[in-house]
Parts: sequence; C-alpha cells; structure tokens
Amino acid sequence: NAGVTQTPKFRVLKTGQSMTLLCAQDMNHEYMYWYRQDPGMGLRLIHYSVGEGTTAKGEVPDGYNVSRLKKQNFLLGLESAAPSQTSVYFCASSYGLAETSPPYEQYFGPGTRLTVT
Amino acid sequence: SQKIEQNSEALNIQEGKTATLTCNYTNYSPAYLQWYRQDPGRGPVFLLLIRENEKEKRKERLKVTFDTTLKQSLFHITASQPADSATYLCAPYTNAGKSTFGDGTTLTVKP
Repeated sequence: NAGVTQTPKFRVLKTGQSMTLLCAQDMNHEYMYWYRQDPGMGLRLIHYSVGEGTTAKGEVPDGYNVSRLKKQNFLLGLESAAPSQTSVYFCASSYGLAETSPPYEQYFGPGTRLTVT
Repeated sequence: SQKIEQNSEALNIQEGKTATLTCNYTNYSPAYLQWYRQDPGRGPVFLLLIRENEKEKRKERLKVTFDTTLKQSLFHITASQPADSATYLCAPYTNAGKSTFGDGTTLTVKP
C-alpha cells in the first residue's frame, strides 16, 4: 500500500498562475484534509472532506478550492497564486463513518513545497 | 477564540533523561487529544490518542496525560534517545472530524 501520496513534490509558480495539487489515498478512508504549514508553525486546515462529493471549509480557505469527485482523491486548487500562499502543503486522510465520529488517526502525505514568486 | 499553546522554546535534553512537553488549550473543551511526531521535511505521524475520561495513556516509552480541569496535556518520553529528536505536535479534537494542531515543540536529545 502506498498510503497517502501527493503530486507534485515541488512547484514554483509566478503570481497569478494557477495550479492543482493532487492527493491520493489507497486506504479507503472517508475523511481527507488539506493543510498548509509555514516555517516554525503548526498545521492550518484549509479544506476538508467527510466523504465523496462533499467538502467543507477549514481555518484558512480563502484563495483555495477543492474537489472530491472520487473517494480516493482530493484535489486542492489555487486559482490565482499569491506570494502569501508560499508554504508546504500536506494532505491527510483518516477513517470515519459520520461527522460525529471520534477522531481516528490521520495519515499524512509527504508534502508539496510550493513557492510563489 | 480557541487557542493551543505548546512549549514556546525548543527543548534540549541529555540522552537517557525524561522529556516532558506541554500542550495547553483555552476557550474550548476537546473530548480527545492526539499527539503527532514530525521529522524535518516529512508529514506528521500519529503517536497517541487520549480521551477526556482517561487520565493517562502509555505506549512503550511514551506517556500522555490529559487534565481537563487545567486544560492541559503533558507528553513524556522516558529514557530518551537521539532518535527521539523531532517536532511534536498536539492536536485537540474539536468537532466533525477536525483536529486543530498546535505549533509544535522541537525536541533535541543529545548523546
């Protein structure tokens, strides 16, 4: 099992460009998450999904969009990149049946390092 | 607003000693709290989960406590080793499948 994989691993964008980060998991997890991590800081939740076809906003959703068309994939889009979006982006997934479930452990991908110039 | 505070300074200890990391939270009452380990350039890895009705949880050399009155969790690594050097993140569970992560404490264990 590959676990959680992220594509690409590194990317440099110019201000105003767009891109999509792909996250894939092969553990049949219901929940998927996108976080960003800035130097010396913890993880901040951008968007998350509790099942195929559903998405919800996290703590810092502005400037990002997501889609979960297939259970195993969670896409994060930047429509018009800004230097403030320079960060390391982590995708995670976890097992869960309903919104009231207790937190199961999250499995994280290796991260995507994005630089916006 | 909800706030999570971990040790503000990095923690440096000698091999063989016990490392104690602190996680304080304010303005909410999580029912669960998770601890993760993160190595440089990698994603976090889950270590332990403790529920609000559990005072203590152990796993090998790791021990976590959860004091809902003090709104604090302590994370202990006994007989620490240089391989334990990493950043440790606490993540109180808020709602609907979301956890909020602290900024982490960087632990360095010196031989």
